[in-house]
Order: sequence, then C-alpha cells, then structure tokens
Amino acid sequence: DVKVTQSSRYLVKRTGEKVFLECVQDMDHENMFWYRQDPGLGLRLIYFSYDVKMKEKGDIPEGYSVSREKKERFSLILESASTNQTSMYLCASSFSGTYGYTFGSGTRLTVV
Amino acid sequence: QKEVEQDPGPLSVPEGAIVSLNCTYSNSAFQYFMWYRQYSRKGPELLMYTYSSGNKEDGRFTAQVDKSSKYISLFIRDSQPSDSATYLCAMVPNQAGTALIFGKGTTLSVSS
Repeated sequence: DVKVTQSSRYLVKRTGEKVFLECVQDMDHENMFWYRQDPGLGLRLIYFSYDVKMKEKGDIPEGYSVSREKKERFSLILESASTNQTSMYLCASSFSGTYGYTFGSGTRLTVV
Repeated sequence: QKEVEQDPGPLSVPEGAIVSLNCTYSNSAFQYFMWYRQYSRKGPELLMYTYSSGNKEDGRFTAQVDKSSKYISLFIRDSQPSDSATYLCAMVPNQAGTALIFGKGTTLSVSS
C-alpha cells in the first residue's frame, strides 16, 4: 500500500519556535507538495518540489521554508512560529507530469 | 474573482439521493480536472480525474467538465452514508512546474 507519512498527527509549539514538519513517501515520486488547510479558506499551496534540492514557492510561502535533500523526504520549516500559522498541514506527492496526488493524513499544528 | 469557486455547503441528503457537486473557475488555461474526497481527520484522496471536456463515469460517480462554461460537476448516484465527506474540486493548466489549485470543498452528509 503506497504511503505518504507525516511525522506527527498533532503538534503544539510556542510562538517564536523553529518548527520542522517532516514528510516521507515510499512511491518514488518526483513531485512533493506542502499545503495548509484552514476552515473557509480550503487548501493553499505553500511550497512544492519537483526534484531533489529543487523548490518552488506556492501561493503563501511567507514565514516558511522547505528542504528536500533526498527524493523521498520533504520537510517544511516554520522559521519562527506565529499564532497565525496554527493550521492543518498536508503533504502530498505525485509522479512527474501527473496530478493524481497522494496525500498524507496531515499534521494539526497549534502555535500558542 | 477567485480562480476556483466551490460552494462549501453543508449539503444534507437522504440515502439513495442523487447528489450534484459543482465548481466554477476563471482560468481558461485549466486542462486537468480532479475531484478529491476527504473524510474527517484524513488527507484528501483522489476520486475522479478528467482531462479537458467531457464526462467520465466510475461506478456511482460521474465527473463532467464543460470548458465553454468553465464549470465542472461531480454526480453521485444512489448516495450512501459512507459518501459523507468533504469533496474538493482541483484543477491545473497543462504546464510544467505548476501545482493543483483546489476549491474550498463542499461538505456532504448522507443520512440513513
């Protein structure tokens, strides 16, 4: 069974902390994505990567960075967490040139 | 105008009803159209995938794309309580280096 695994289901962090959200896929997908999902706003793209060490900004990259050192792993970094980054974070992956994404189960992050 | 518009609902129907879910969009460059289903506390999963205009059927589900009207639909026949979920439309142009743009999702509840 193919999988996208997000390291934590629930996370509580303090304002100003540096936060790492990890995502690992076992499908040999080239593309990986980070979205956040908020009530009334839907899914919004933060960053995506179509190859190792490559990254592209999505619609809302401010306050975030990413790292992709290996094909199977895509990390989202909140440089200095703020309360407005409290959200559900979803990682997804797909083969190059395809749009049928496989999503992880999400990480619900609360910044206090 | 948002690129993808989707009525959030909620939509409540009795078991066995025909359900119609819809999205409109503004970007005529969109070529690939998808429907994802998201159960509570889970990541979205791909339900239907359509390229350009036309209909696609898969069991009780039919996806329709009308590019002239910039309108896509998902029909669910003989709806079941297990269909209760949030349904997200998603679309993307046929262009390298782009990622899916999602609607906000419609929450469907099917009562037995």
